[in-house]
Amino acid sequence: DAGVTQSPTHLIKTRGQQVTLRCSPKSGHDTVSWYQQALGQGPQFIFQYYEEEERQRGNFPDRFSGHQFPNYSSELNVNALLLGDSALYLCASRWGGGAGNTIYFGEGSWLTVV
Amino acid sequence: DQQVKQNSPSLSVQEGRISILNCDYTNSMFDYFLWYKKYPAEGPTFLISISSIKDKNEDGRFTVFLNKSAKHLSLHIVPSQPGDSAVYFCAAAGKTSGTYKYIFGTGTRLKVLA
Repeated sequence: DAGVTQSPTHLIKTRGQQVTLRCSPKSGHDTVSWYQQALGQGPQFIFQYYEEEERQRGNFPDRFSGHQFPNYSSELNVNALLLGDSALYLCASRWGGGAGNTIYFGEGSWLTVV
Repeated sequence: DQQVKQNSPSLSVQEGRISILNCDYTNSMFDYFLWYKKYPAEGPTFLISISSIKDKNEDGRFTVFLNKSAKHLSLHIVPSQPGDSAVYFCAAAGKTSGTYKYIFGTGTRLKVLA
C-alpha cells in the first residue's frame, strides 16, 4: 500500500522563476492538502483539493495555485518565486472531503530559492 | 492569529520517565485532534488522534487527553525512549465551508536522555 508520494524531493530555483511540485495521495484517499513548513515552524495550510476543486485556502497569495486530477493526484504551482518561499512543502491526503479523518503526509519537497 | 498553540518549544525527559506535551486551541469549531511526530528531513508521521466526543484515547505507550472546557489537549508518552526524540506537532480540525480544515501548532522538540 503506497503512502503519499511527492516529487521532486529537493530543488533549487532562482528568484522570479516558477516551480511545480507533485503529489500522489495514499491509496483510497480523495482529498489532498498542501502545507508549507519553514524552519522552526509548524506546517502552514496552503489549500485543499477535493473532487478536483479548491475547497479551502489558507493565507497565501495568488502566486500559489494548484490542481487536482481525476486520479486524485495534485500539483502545487508557485509563480514569481521569492527568497521567502524557501521551505519544505508537504502534501497530505485523506479520505472524505467533508469528514474529520486522519491526514497522512508525504516526505516533502525541499525548495530553496536563491 | 495562532489558533493552535504549543507553548513549550522544547522538552527534555529522562529515558523511562513520562513525557507530557501540551497543546491549546482557541476555536470551538475544532472537533478532531491529532498528534504527529517529525524527524529531520522526513514528513510528519501520524501518532494518535481523538474525537471531541471522547476525553482520552490510548495506543500503546501513547495517550492523548482532551479537556474541551479548557480547550487543551496533551500527549503522554510512557515510558519515554531515546527513539521518541523528535519534534511533535498537535493539529486541530474543524468543518468550515463544507470541508474539514486542519491547523497545526508550532511544535515541541522532545529530547529523551539515555
